[in-house]
Amino acid sequence: KAGVTQTPRYLIKTRGQQVTLSCSPISGHRSVSWYQQTPGQGLQFLFEYFSETQRNKGNFPGRFSGRQFSNSRSEMNVSTLELGDSALYLCASSPKGQGGSEAFFGQGTRLTVV
Amino acid sequence: AQKITQTQPGMFVQEKEAVTLDCTYDTSDPSYGLFWYKQPSSGEMIFLIYQGSYDQQNATEGRYSLNFQKARKSANLVISASQLGDSAMYFCAMREGQGGSEKLVFGKGTKLTVNP
Repeated sequence: KAGVTQTPRYLIKTRGQQVTLSCSPISGHRSVSWYQQTPGQGLQFLFEYFSETQRNKGNFPGRFSGRQFSNSRSEMNVSTLELGDSALYLCASSPKGQGGSEAFFGQGTRLTVV
Repeated sequence: AQKITQTQPGMFVQEKEAVTLDCTYDTSDPSYGLFWYKQPSSGEMIFLIYQGSYDQQNATEGRYSLNFQKARKSANLVISASQLGDSAMYFCAMREGQGGSEKLVFGKGTKLTVNP
């Protein structure tokens, strides 16, 4: 069974640009969550999607948005990038509602804003 | 107040020895789950072990075991027979509630170094 796949692995963007990151969950998993990891703030929850609906949202500005498609794949978008958005963005996949309680992460997308 | 506390920023252990990484948590929800993840320098978060609040026995997965002490709100990770490849950051995390949000709250992590 394939794991959680995040693309791209690395990104370099300029301040003011926007970026879209992609996450394909484990087959059969319907819940996808996104996290931002920085040296200063650690791992922080961004949002969670289940069956194409946002179920929970962390304390991030509206520049951060996401969506989930009918095949459970999810994208997150950051508009008007700031230097402080440089981080490792991790996506987690959970079976939710299908038994099992584990949450599995992808390899992450490392975003650098210059 | 922090929900997950990892008091050891760094730990050192000799190869083949056992090591315990500490984690305490704070919640008033009777239903919760506790997780441990390993993060090598590559960045990937590798799931190690899960303990549900209603689980009667401590979780074990190979060389990993979770020492769950509910009354003390403690969920320490024990790694037996440490290997050089165990050198990494280790994060404890909690998910509150059941059937609701999948949101995980993480501790600040412990950097484990295994010496040959």
